[in-house]
Amino acid sequence: SQQGEEDPQALSIQEGENATMNCSYKTSINNLQWYRQNSGRGLVHLILIRSNEREKHSGRLRVTLDTSKKSSSLLITASRAADTASYFCATDRRGSQGNLIFGKGTKLSVKP
Amino acid sequence: EAGVAQSPRYKIIEKRQSVAFWCNPISGHATLYWYQQILGQGPKLLIQFQNNGVVDDSQLPKDRFSAERLKGVDSTLKIQPAKLEDSAVYLCASSLGIAPPDTQYFGPGTRLTVL
Repeated sequence: SQQGEEDPQALSIQEGENATMNCSYKTSINNLQWYRQNSGRGLVHLILIRSNEREKHSGRLRVTLDTSKKSSSLLITASRAADTASYFCATDRRGSQGNLIFGKGTKLSVKP
Repeated sequence: EAGVAQSPRYKIIEKRQSVAFWCNPISGHATLYWYQQILGQGPKLLIQFQNNGVVDDSQLPKDRFSAERLKGVDSTLKIQPAKLEDSAVYLCASSLGIAPPDTQYFGPGTRLTVL
């Protein structure tokens, strides 16, 4: 079963613009992670935010977490054509063995 | 550092045939995962190993899927017999297996097409 649901399903922007993707989940978590998947390739870990954190930054990435609303957002600033990919949130549920439950992803297209 | 290796990268079979996928995790990673990713969806965990023991196989269709991780390193995932709905990308991931949070590193995947 899918835990996370990303929104929007698809997003198309121009290079230089910011891209925001949202994720909602259902159960209590230890942490939430964001992954990127380029077409035809495996997933690459981007950033992890723990359940007791509210915001985290990594380069052009900014992640927020609101555990009261069971939601997270990923902001990519000053997007580049190379950011074109699918982005997935994944939750490490409280009480799990560390395995992740992924959402369906947001397909981001950045036009040069 | 070498990443997670998977083979083959692509496989086309007919329904009711058997198929096997191989995964070599990052050296020193105790935990190994197999995921199934159907087109347009996120990866779904099939099985998780800690060394050579199974931690979670609750979503593995055990009537047709099997997996093993002999000696706690390489792993194979087998489907026998395959159905049309098994067409998907099969992803292998590994992690150190220490206390969470534990980052998973993914291989390139094997794309299976069942005709």
